[in-house]
Amino acid sequence: GAVVSQHPSRVICKSGTSVKIECRSLDFQATTMFWYRQFPKQSLMLMATSNEGSKATYEQGVEKDKFLINHASLTLSTLTVTSAHPEDSSFYICSARGPDYGYTFGSGTRLTVV
Amino acid sequence: DAKTTQPTSMDCAEGRAANLPCNHSTISGNEYVYWYRQIHSQGPQYIIHGLKNNETNEMASLIITEDRKSSTLILPHATLRDTAVYYCIPGYNQGGKLIFGQGTELSVKP
Repeated sequence: GAVVSQHPSRVICKSGTSVKIECRSLDFQATTMFWYRQFPKQSLMLMATSNEGSKATYEQGVEKDKFLINHASLTLSTLTVTSAHPEDSSFYICSARGPDYGYTFGSGTRLTVV
Repeated sequence: DAKTTQPTSMDCAEGRAANLPCNHSTISGNEYVYWYRQIHSQGPQYIIHGLKNNETNEMASLIITEDRKSSTLILPHATLRDTAVYYCIPGYNQGGKLIFGQGTELSVKP
């Protein structure tokens, strides 16, 4: 079945630094990927839609200059959290539309900003 | 985007069927109903999806009402590993984004 690999699974960074999260579709090509954020005991919140070869589309209220998305190939999208602050600590999850059905999700990245 | 209403939480005895309802009265005619589940601190896992007809796979069955305003996910023999948050999400089969609601927290008890 379709597999989406997300890396790293956990990251701790200092306040003010940037962190990059990778999302790869392993056995299929994904022209569109999605990035979500999830705070404790809450549902997933869609942050942006990542389109291969073009600019990402951000949901209302999401700062595009803070959450940089690059989708340079059909199998890789990256999310960079710039100038991270403690309030950016969250669980970040990517997803991609599989070749046959539905959407496949990565295993998530737990970001802790100290 | 279609809105969904699901019970906040449900309990189910191990080995019994778990029936998880979802109301999606504003679903549009060509939107599918997707079901995902999320086990704590993991990414969501696809379960099943359907448009009009009832569907069954190795994980679950999906019953969609004739007016498509609601559906029920059935786990025929729940196990402790089925404890998770279950999300019902309307979505387009040709693409588009999935918007998650609050889901149902299912607890399977021995």
